[in-house]
This record gives sequence, structure tokens and C-alpha cells, in this order.
Amino acid sequence: QVQLVESGGGVVQPGRSLRLSCAASGFTFSSYGMHWVRQAPGKGLEWVALIWYDGSNKYYADSVKGRFTISRDNSKNTLYLQMNSLRVEDTAVYYCTVVTPEDWFDPWGQGTLVTVSS
Amino acid sequence: EIVLTQSPGTLSLSPGERATLSCRASQSVSSFLAWYQQKPGQAPRLLIYDVSNRATGIPARFSGSGSGTDFTLSISSLEPEDFAVYYCQQRSNWLWTFGQGTKVEIK
Repeated sequence: QVQLVESGGGVVQPGRSLRLSCAASGFTFSSYGMHWVRQAPGKGLEWVALIWYDGSNKYYADSVKGRFTISRDNSKNTLYLQMNSLRVEDTAVYYCTVVTPEDWFDPWGQGTLVTVSS
Repeated sequence: EIVLTQSPGTLSLSPGERATLSCRASQSVSSFLAWYQQKPGQAPRLLIYDVSNRATGIPARFSGSGSGTDFTLSISSLEPEDFAVYYCQQRSNWLWTFGQGTKVEIK
């Protein structure tokens, strides 16, 4: 079955960097686009970024554009999110999720918590 | 950016009752609207896509309707496992936004 396992979260100071990973298994990773979505503590969902199946196109939310970079390594079945110049408001659980054939989000990983605090 | 507004914020109902959740878009999203369910401590799960199509494995008691700017998620008869937060989502011009969520709680 499909499995998505995020890792790399933790506590980081404002202005620092962090890289998240999402290890995928149970499906042909190289055939599917992937998203990152985040959820601040006690808040709703916010889309962060999309990468096409082959990495050829990437899209970002305005709130992270220029600071975050989505990438993938299809040989390792892994999705990444490089987060630079982190802000307190980037504190959230970060989920990776698969683009369905109908262009929606399913399934989702269990998430990894990023806390930006001094 | 298209803003999605969900109502009510909280819905207090008993098992067996019908739940009706609303999602209104700030401009037309055509049929590009989905619904997700999220239980405490869990990741969201896709329920409904393209307004009215149930995702794989989703029970028939869940249904979606609407068009343009006004959409509804209905749960015909609430089961204990349906008490959760529900989010609507739209996609437009390579941007995706979610509503703020409706919590369905046990009365």
C-alpha cells in the first residue's frame, strides 16, 4: 500500500534553514506529482508547493515563494522541501501528499512538525 | 486568490442525524472543488472530488453538490467515526486554497 513518511522536522531559530524529506513507497513515485501542505498548530490547512512528476515544473504559495524550494529524487523515491529564512509563522506540521489522477491530494503522510522559535 | 468560506464553524449533532456543511467561494471555481476529513492527530483524507465524486473507499452516506460558488457536503446519517473536521478545497491557476474548516462534534 502507499506509504509516505515525512522526516526532518524539529526546532529551529528564525532565519535558519531546514530540509524536510518525504520517503514514498507502494506506488510508482516517478509517475506522480507531489505537494507539500502545512498546518499551523490548531489551525487549518495551507497549500505550500507542488512539483510535477518529473520535476520540470514547480509552484509555490506566495507565503513561501523565494524562501522554500521543492524538489524530488525519483531514483530515491523521495520528495524534499528546502526551507530557508524561516519565520515564526512557518511553524506547522508539514505533510506531503500525492497528486491524484483527478488533480487532488491523496493520500497524505503523517506529517512532520517544524517549530521556528528563538 | 480565491477565498473559501465554510459554515458553520461548528456543527453539533447526534449519531444518526444528517449533517449539511457549506462552502462558499469568493469567485467561481467551476467544478474544481474537493472535501477532506481530518480526525484529531491524523492527516487529512480525501472524501469528495470534483464537487460530487466520492474518493475510493468513501461510504455512500457522504455526498457533495453545488456549482460555481456554492457547495455542500452532506452526511446522510452520522456514524461515530464521522465526528471530525471537514475542509473544502479549490484549485485555480496553479494555486490551491482550503476553507477554514467545519468541526462536526457530538451533541
